[in-house]
Amino acid sequence: GAVVSQHPSWVICKSGTSVKIECRSLDFQATTMFWYRQFPKQSLMLMATSNEGSKATYEQGVEKDKFLINHASLTLSTLTVTSAHPEDSSFYICSASWASTAKNIQYFGAGTRLSVL
Amino acid sequence: AQTVTQSQPEMSVQEAETVTLSCTYDTSESNYYLFWYKQPPSRQMILVIRQEAYKQQNATENRFSVNFQKAAKSFSLKISDSQLGDTAMYFCAASSPQGAQKLVFGQGTRLTINP
Repeated sequence: GAVVSQHPSWVICKSGTSVKIECRSLDFQATTMFWYRQFPKQSLMLMATSNEGSKATYEQGVEKDKFLINHASLTLSTLTVTSAHPEDSSFYICSASWASTAKNIQYFGAGTRLSVL
Repeated sequence: AQTVTQSQPEMSVQEAETVTLSCTYDTSESNYYLFWYKQPPSRQMILVIRQEAYKQQNATENRFSVNFQKAAKSFSLKISDSQLGDTAMYFCAASSPQGAQKLVFGQGTRLTINP
């Protein structure tokens, strides 16, 4: 299957700093990438959808100035948590898909655990 | 808008037994896709099986099969000959082929396979 790499797997930062998370599709060109947030023992909550070369579409209630998403190429999307605070501590997961034969299948990265002190 | 409901928060079975996880959904779309994803303790989301709504035949992948009841909007997952490695959170999800093709997830079912 298609491989999606997410980095870092775990990051600890001080309150007020910014953190960047990378999501790469290693063996395919991702027309669309998705960013999710998952709280402990809960389901995945979609934060935003991004298409290469265009602005991300954020879900209702997600602060776009807080969670900056860049999808500059067909293999890389980044999520930057700006001025992180303890309430931003969570598990962030990216996924990627491509049109045509993929038929809506999303391939997921391994996730990033963010801990804000 | 699509909604997905998993009514079983937790399930537990013995190794080699068969287990069925329930999922119901609601959608106004005429065509859509349904998925089961597995999230083991590593937290890596893994696609287990996929069903296209316009296909009447139930999807199967080795020990995993689905019972797709379109009229009832039900999409259950059956795991045969369960193995210890099947222990994981299982999420049912739906998406539309139109637009952004976003996935809508259910709440998840925590499945434990006991030796």
